[in-house]
Amino acid sequence: GAVVSQHPSWVICKSGTSVKIECRSLDFQATTMFWYRQFPKQSLMLMATSNEGSKATYEQGVEKDKFLINHASLTLSTLTVTSAHPEDSSFYICSGSFTDTQYFGPGTRLTVL
Amino acid sequence: DQQVKQNSPSLSVQEGRISILNCDYTNSMFDYFLWYKKYPAEGPTFLISISSIKDKNEDGRFTVFLNKSAKHLSLHIVPSQPGDSAVYFCAASAGGTASKLTFGTGTRLQVTL
Repeated sequence: GAVVSQHPSWVICKSGTSVKIECRSLDFQATTMFWYRQFPKQSLMLMATSNEGSKATYEQGVEKDKFLINHASLTLSTLTVTSAHPEDSSFYICSGSFTDTQYFGPGTRLTVL
Repeated sequence: DQQVKQNSPSLSVQEGRISILNCDYTNSMFDYFLWYKKYPAEGPTFLISISSIKDKNEDGRFTVFLNKSAKHLSLHIVPSQPGDSAVYFCAASAGGTASKLTFGTGTRLQVTL
């Protein structure tokens, strides 16, 4: 299967700071990447759809100015959580579409103090 | 509004027996369904998928059945192995496999010796 990596795997930051999470497709080109969030004991919830070379499409209730997404190339999408607050603490997971399937990265655990 | 539901939060099965995980959906626009396996603090791993034009798809020990009229799908694992112990999510998309996924709430499978 296709491989997706994320960096960092975990991050702890102070409230008010910004954090950037990278998502890379290692062995395929992903025109579309997706960003999900999972709170403890809950399901994965789609935050936004990231398309290479264009603006991301955000789901209802997700603040686009707070969660900045950049899809600069066919193998890299980044999610920046700006002015992070404790309620943003969560597990962030990205995915890329390849051969009719979405492949997921290992996730990034964000803890905001 | 939970469009994809997994009503059993947990399931315990003896090694060698069949595991049956169920999933119901409400959105008739969904045309592609997937099952993922997930360990804590990791991204979901793709298992098997099925298009809405089919009613069964098999891959090794994993078989997915789709009943469109009942808006129900199930994942059968046979024989179950201890390494199958994980949380299983069903997911659905409308408009093909490159579209965003709506996840169910997950079922924790425990395969006992």
